[in-house]
Amino acid sequence: SQTIHQWPATLVQPVGSPLSLECTVEGTSNPNLYWYRQAAGRGLQLLFYSVGIGQISSEVPQNLSASRPQDRQFILSSKKLLLSDSGFYLCAWSRDRGDEQYFGPGTRLTVT
Amino acid sequence: QQPVQSPQAVILREGEDAVINCSSSKALYSVHWYRQKHGEAPVFLMILLKGGEQKGHDKISASFNEKKQQSSLYLTASQLSYSGTYFCGTEMLGSGNTGKLIFGQGTTLQVKP
Repeated sequence: SQTIHQWPATLVQPVGSPLSLECTVEGTSNPNLYWYRQAAGRGLQLLFYSVGIGQISSEVPQNLSASRPQDRQFILSSKKLLLSDSGFYLCAWSRDRGDEQYFGPGTRLTVT
Repeated sequence: QQPVQSPQAVILREGEDAVINCSSSKALYSVHWYRQKHGEAPVFLMILLKGGEQKGHDKISASFNEKKQQSSLYLTASQLSYSGTYFCGTEMLGSGNTGKLIFGQGTTLQVKP
């Protein structure tokens, strides 16, 4: 069976510090991968998606970046965090278009 | 491009029915429905594909009107466990094989005993 992992579960970081969130998927190959952010009480905002290793598409211009160094690994990074980067970060994967997306447990980031 | 959900919030008694709507201004390939409990990740409920194919739970149903680019989620005989925020995610025609979803703003459903 397939599983998706995210870490850390919670993170408190000062403004201006770097960020690295990791997501890994097990039990499948060549998944589509996605990063979402959810502000408190709000909807899901798609940040990045990837259809293959090294292939990253950005949906929202901002100070975040994403990388996919391996088939089932997706990393979200920032060189300098802003207060507005606070939120619930969710990684998800799907097999193909038209298939359900499976979400990881999420990382709750607070920038102070 | 963000789909519009209605209503924004619903309060029900156990056993009552609810309908949540999702409308898009763009031609859609698929509509996905998810439920999210407070502090948790969204959980998949239902997919409706262009052409009428439907996948999902047997206790929750949905429809997809391709002419209007609208989807409705039907929750019948609601249970306490149905409480949460419901999101529709839309995959637009022409988005290629990305599976990229744009989510609505959510509908909060509260079921009371």
